[in-house]
Amino acid sequence: DAEITQSPRHKITETGRQVTLACHQTWNHNNMFWYRQDLGHGLRLIHYSYGVQDTNKGEVSDGYSVSRSNTEDLPLTLESAASSQTSVYFCASSESAGMNTEAFFGQGTRLTVV
Amino acid sequence: AQKVTQAQTEISVVEKEDVTLDCVYETRDTTYYLFWYKQPPSGELVFLIRRNSFDEQNEISGRYSWNFQKSTSSFNFTITASQVVDSAVYFCALSLRVYDNMLTFGGGTRLMVKP
Repeated sequence: DAEITQSPRHKITETGRQVTLACHQTWNHNNMFWYRQDLGHGLRLIHYSYGVQDTNKGEVSDGYSVSRSNTEDLPLTLESAASSQTSVYFCASSESAGMNTEAFFGQGTRLTVV
Repeated sequence: AQKVTQAQTEISVVEKEDVTLDCVYETRDTTYYLFWYKQPPSGELVFLIRRNSFDEQNEISGRYSWNFQKSTSSFNFTITASQVVDSAVYFCALSLRVYDNMLTFGGGTRLMVKP
């Protein structure tokens, strides 16, 4: 079955370190998204991509970057981790067109910056 | 810019009670899509429903029902005869684009159903 997987599921890192969170989907979806979930804020969009070599900033993109070298993967990099980036991160993917589509979410990555 | 508000941060009910989760949205677009997701204690996000702005018919799926009212910009979710397994965080979300399902989420409502 097609799926979307995130790794690692849990990560503890130190302030100032570079961290990369992986997202891999097997649906061949062009659209991929990264969100962060914080209490009281729901999920907020960090970055998104509509296809290979395409990346765009979302609402809370400062301190994060993404790259899209193939259809299946959209890794999220924290250039220099800060305590404010302690959060749960969700990756999602969706089809490019059609009204009867939905976004599929990964299981989430809990990141703690100490 | 669009916005989704879930004013109820936490709701606690006793099993078998009916409960309604409120969702109010803001957008200037005439075409948009509304969603509800469930996040159980295990943490994953489970898709429940999508509704487009041209379809104001209420929807019922088992014990779940949704009331979409454009006049009040609301898309409320009711669980009838709640069960302990309904305990979760529920998110309402809005998308303006049919082609990518980029979502703007509300803050979520934590529902606790006690036996």
